[in-house]
Amino acid sequence: DNVMTQSPDSLAVSLGERATINCKSSQSVLYTSNNKNYLAWYQQKPGQPPKLLIYGASTRESGVPDRFSGSGSGTDFTLTISSLQAEDVAIYYCQQYYHTPTFGGGTKVEI
Amino acid sequence: EVQLVESGGGLVKPGGSLRLSCAASGFTFKNAWLSWVRQAPGKGLEWLGRIKSNSDDGTADYASPVKGRFTISRDDSNSMLYLHMNSLETEDTAIYYCTTYTPPAVNWGQGTLVTVSS
Repeated sequence: DNVMTQSPDSLAVSLGERATINCKSSQSVLYTSNNKNYLAWYQQKPGQPPKLLIYGASTRESGVPDRFSGSGSGTDFTLTISSLQAEDVAIYYCQQYYHTPTFGGGTKVEI
Repeated sequence: EVQLVESGGGLVKPGGSLRLSCAASGFTFKNAWLSWVRQAPGKGLEWLGRIKSNSDDGTADYASPVKGRFTISRDDSNSMLYLHMNSLETEDTAIYYCTTYTPPAVNWGQGTLVTVSS
Protein backbone atom coordinates (compact mmCIF):
# COMPACT_ATOMS: atom_id res chain seq x y z
CA ASP A 1 0.00 0.00 0.00
CA ASN A 2 1.02 3.58 -0.62
CA VAL A 3 1.70 5.06 2.82
CA MET A 4 0.96 8.76 3.33
CA THR A 5 2.90 10.47 6.14
CA GLN A 6 1.81 13.89 7.33
CA SER A 7 3.79 16.32 9.45
CA PRO A 8 3.46 17.78 11.93
CA ASP A 9 0.78 15.91 13.85
CA SER A 10 -0.45 19.24 15.19
CA LEU A 11 0.44 22.90 15.02
CA ALA A 12 -0.66 26.11 16.67
CA VAL A 13 -0.74 29.23 14.56
CA SER A 14 -1.71 32.78 15.45
CA LEU A 15 -4.64 34.38 13.67
CA GLY A 16 -3.47 35.89 10.41
CA GLU A 17 -0.29 33.86 10.32
CA ARG A 18 0.71 31.13 7.85
CA ALA A 19 0.14 27.43 8.46
CA THR A 20 2.06 24.81 6.52
CA ILE A 21 1.27 21.09 6.47
CA ASN A 22 3.44 18.51 4.76
CA CYS A 23 2.47 15.19 3.21
CA LYS A 24 4.90 12.57 1.93
CA SER A 25 3.88 9.61 -0.20
CA SER A 26 5.82 6.35 -0.16
CA GLN A 27 5.28 6.07 -3.91
CA SER A 28 4.97 8.69 -6.62
CA VAL A 29 1.41 9.81 -7.33
CA LEU A 30 2.35 11.66 -10.51
CA TYR A 31 0.62 10.14 -13.52
CA THR A 32 3.14 10.92 -16.25
CA SER A 33 0.65 10.40 -19.10
CA ASN A 34 -1.23 13.55 -18.13
CA ASN A 35 1.29 15.15 -15.75
CA LYS A 36 -1.28 15.19 -12.95
CA ASN A 37 -0.65 14.44 -9.30
CA TYR A 38 -3.39 12.32 -7.80
CA LEU A 39 -3.29 14.02 -4.41
CA ALA A 40 -6.13 15.66 -2.48
CA TRP A 41 -6.48 17.63 0.75
CA TYR A 42 -9.50 17.53 3.06
CA GLN A 43 -10.59 19.62 6.03
CA GLN A 44 -12.57 18.07 8.87
CA LYS A 45 -14.14 20.11 11.64
CA PRO A 46 -15.43 18.48 14.84
CA GLY A 47 -18.63 16.54 14.36
CA GLN A 48 -18.64 17.07 10.60
CA PRO A 49 -17.69 14.93 7.61
CA PRO A 50 -14.53 15.85 5.72
CA LYS A 51 -14.68 18.55 3.08
CA LEU A 52 -12.62 18.44 -0.11
CA LEU A 53 -10.34 21.46 -0.34
CA ILE A 54 -7.85 20.65 -3.07
CA TYR A 55 -7.42 17.98 -5.73
CA GLY A 56 -4.74 17.37 -8.31
CA ALA A 57 -2.32 18.62 -5.65
CA SER A 58 -3.03 22.28 -6.37
CA THR A 59 -6.56 22.84 -7.74
CA ARG A 60 -8.96 24.37 -5.26
CA GLU A 61 -12.44 22.89 -5.11
CA SER A 62 -15.22 25.32 -5.96
CA GLY A 63 -15.95 27.70 -3.09
CA VAL A 64 -12.72 27.11 -1.21
CA PRO A 65 -11.11 30.40 -0.12
CA ASP A 66 -7.92 31.32 -1.93
CA ARG A 67 -5.97 31.46 1.33
CA PHE A 68 -5.77 27.67 0.92
CA SER A 69 -3.17 26.49 -1.57
CA GLY A 70 -1.55 23.20 -2.44
CA SER A 71 1.82 22.51 -3.99
CA GLY A 72 4.25 19.70 -4.68
CA SER A 73 4.71 16.84 -7.09
CA GLY A 74 5.64 13.19 -7.12
CA THR A 75 6.01 12.22 -3.48
CA ASP A 76 6.17 15.50 -1.53
CA PHE A 77 3.27 17.86 -1.06
CA THR A 78 2.31 20.89 1.01
CA LEU A 79 -0.94 22.52 2.07
CA THR A 80 -0.58 26.17 3.00
CA ILE A 81 -3.10 28.39 4.74
CA SER A 82 -1.73 31.84 4.01
CA SER A 83 -3.55 33.77 6.73
CA LEU A 84 -5.19 31.58 9.35
CA GLN A 85 -8.77 32.42 10.26
CA ALA A 86 -10.68 31.18 13.32
CA GLU A 87 -12.89 29.02 11.12
CA ASP A 88 -9.84 27.14 9.79
CA VAL A 89 -9.37 25.29 13.09
CA ALA A 90 -9.74 21.68 11.98
CA ILE A 91 -7.92 18.48 11.15
CA TYR A 92 -6.45 18.34 7.66
CA TYR A 93 -5.86 15.10 5.75
CA CYS A 94 -4.01 14.38 2.54
CA GLN A 95 -5.06 11.48 0.35
CA GLN A 96 -3.52 9.86 -2.69
CA TYR A 97 -5.85 8.37 -5.27
CA TYR A 98 -3.29 7.16 -7.80
CA HIS A 99 -3.08 3.69 -6.28
CA THR A 100 -5.69 2.13 -3.98
CA PRO A 101 -6.56 5.34 -2.10
CA THR A 102 -4.94 5.99 1.24
CA PHE A 103 -5.10 8.90 3.69
CA GLY A 104 -2.45 10.53 5.77
CA GLY A 105 -2.82 10.43 9.53
CA GLY A 106 -4.07 14.00 9.78
CA THR A 107 -2.72 17.31 11.11
CA LYS A 108 -4.61 19.22 13.77
CA VAL A 109 -4.49 22.99 13.31
CA GLU A 110 -5.21 25.13 16.36
CA ILE A 111 -4.95 28.77 17.25
CA GLU B 1 -27.78 20.28 -4.15
CA VAL B 2 -26.03 16.96 -3.71
CA GLN B 3 -27.30 15.02 -0.72
CA LEU B 4 -26.05 11.72 0.64
CA VAL B 5 -27.82 10.20 3.63
CA GLU B 6 -26.44 7.07 5.26
CA SER B 7 -28.49 4.71 7.38
CA GLY B 8 -28.37 1.21 8.82
CA GLY B 9 -25.76 1.67 11.49
CA GLY B 10 -26.13 0.32 15.01
CA LEU B 11 -24.83 -2.19 17.51
CA VAL B 12 -23.80 -5.60 16.21
CA LYS B 13 -21.96 -8.49 17.85
CA PRO B 14 -18.55 -9.66 16.67
CA GLY B 15 -18.92 -12.06 13.78
CA GLY B 16 -22.21 -10.49 12.77
CA SER B 17 -23.32 -8.80 9.59
CA LEU B 18 -24.81 -5.45 8.71
CA ARG B 19 -25.94 -3.64 5.60
CA LEU B 20 -25.49 0.11 5.34
CA SER B 21 -27.48 2.20 2.89
CA CYS B 22 -26.84 5.57 1.32
CA ALA B 23 -29.70 7.50 -0.29
CA ALA B 24 -28.48 9.93 -2.93
CA SER B 25 -30.10 12.94 -4.59
CA GLY B 26 -29.18 16.10 -6.43
CA PHE B 27 -27.06 14.52 -9.14
CA THR B 28 -27.28 11.91 -11.91
CA PHE B 29 -26.75 8.84 -9.77
CA LYS B 30 -26.38 6.31 -12.57
CA ASN B 31 -23.34 8.14 -13.95
CA ALA B 32 -21.60 8.52 -10.61
CA TRP B 33 -18.74 6.60 -9.10
CA LEU B 34 -19.24 6.24 -5.35
CA SER B 35 -17.17 5.18 -2.39
CA TRP B 36 -17.26 4.32 1.30
CA VAL B 37 -14.86 5.76 3.89
CA ARG B 38 -14.83 5.10 7.61
CA GLN B 39 -13.46 6.79 10.70
CA ALA B 40 -12.92 4.97 13.98
CA PRO B 41 -13.67 7.04 17.11
CA GLY B 42 -10.99 9.68 17.54
CA LYS B 43 -8.99 8.29 14.63
CA GLY B 44 -8.23 9.19 11.03
CA LEU B 45 -9.93 8.37 7.75
CA GLU B 46 -9.82 4.97 6.07
CA TRP B 47 -10.91 4.42 2.46
CA LEU B 48 -12.87 1.17 2.14
CA GLY B 49 -13.73 0.88 -1.52
CA ARG B 50 -15.48 2.33 -4.53
CA ILE B 51 -17.88 1.26 -7.20
CA LYS B 52 -17.86 2.50 -10.77
CA SER B 53 -20.94 3.48 -12.71
CA ASN B 54 -22.54 0.63 -14.65
CA SER B 55 -21.64 2.40 -17.89
CA ASP B 56 -18.00 2.13 -16.78
CA ASP B 57 -18.43 -1.61 -16.04
CA GLY B 58 -19.87 -1.26 -12.53
CA THR B 59 -17.02 -3.03 -10.78
CA ALA B 60 -15.98 -2.44 -7.19
CA ASP B 61 -12.49 -2.32 -5.66
CA TYR B 62 -11.67 -2.62 -1.99
CA ALA B 63 -8.99 -1.77 0.52
CA SER B 64 -7.01 -4.75 1.79
CA PRO B 65 -8.42 -4.76 5.36
CA VAL B 66 -11.98 -5.31 4.15
CA LYS B 67 -11.51 -7.28 0.93
CA GLY B 68 -13.54 -10.46 1.09
CA ARG B 69 -15.63 -9.25 4.05
CA PHE B 70 -17.25 -6.09 2.65
CA THR B 71 -19.20 -5.75 -0.60
CA ILE B 72 -20.33 -2.52 -2.27
CA SER B 73 -23.40 -2.55 -4.48
CA ARG B 74 -25.69 0.00 -6.08
CA ASP B 75 -29.31 0.33 -7.18
CA ASP B 76 -29.45 2.96 -9.88
CA SER B 77 -33.23 2.80 -10.18
CA ASN B 78 -33.58 4.04 -6.59
CA SER B 79 -30.35 6.07 -6.33
CA MET B 80 -29.10 3.87 -3.50
CA LEU B 81 -25.62 2.75 -2.54
CA TYR B 82 -25.00 -0.16 -0.17
CA LEU B 83 -22.21 -1.54 1.94
CA HIS B 84 -22.65 -5.16 2.97
CA MET B 85 -20.42 -6.05 5.90
CA ASN B 86 -19.77 -9.59 7.11
CA SER B 87 -17.61 -11.15 9.83
CA LEU B 88 -17.53 -7.88 11.72
CA GLU B 89 -14.78 -7.30 14.25
CA THR B 90 -14.48 -4.82 17.09
CA GLU B 91 -11.95 -2.94 14.93
CA ASP B 92 -14.75 -2.20 12.45
CA THR B 93 -16.37 0.16 14.97
CA ALA B 94 -16.49 3.50 13.17
CA ILE B 95 -18.55 6.15 11.48
CA TYR B 96 -19.17 5.06 7.90
CA TYR B 97 -19.45 7.72 5.20
CA CYS B 98 -20.62 7.38 1.62
CA THR B 99 -19.16 9.75 -0.92
CA THR B 100 -19.32 10.64 -4.56
CA TYR B 101 -16.02 9.69 -6.12
CA THR B 102 -14.71 11.59 -9.11
CA PRO B 103 -11.97 10.68 -7.85
CA PRO B 104 -11.26 11.99 -5.28
CA ALA B 105 -14.20 11.99 -2.84
CA VAL B 106 -16.08 15.22 -3.46
CA ASN B 107 -19.42 15.05 -1.63
CA TRP B 108 -19.85 13.31 1.70
CA GLY B 109 -22.80 12.21 3.77
CA GLN B 110 -23.04 12.84 7.50
CA GLY B 111 -22.18 9.23 8.27
CA THR B 112 -23.72 6.39 10.24
CA LEU B 113 -22.17 4.86 13.36
CA VAL B 114 -21.46 1.15 13.51
CA THR B 115 -20.52 -0.31 16.87
CA VAL B 116 -19.22 -3.88 17.03
CA SER B 117 -19.31 -5.12 20.59
CA SER B 118 -20.44 -8.14 22.58
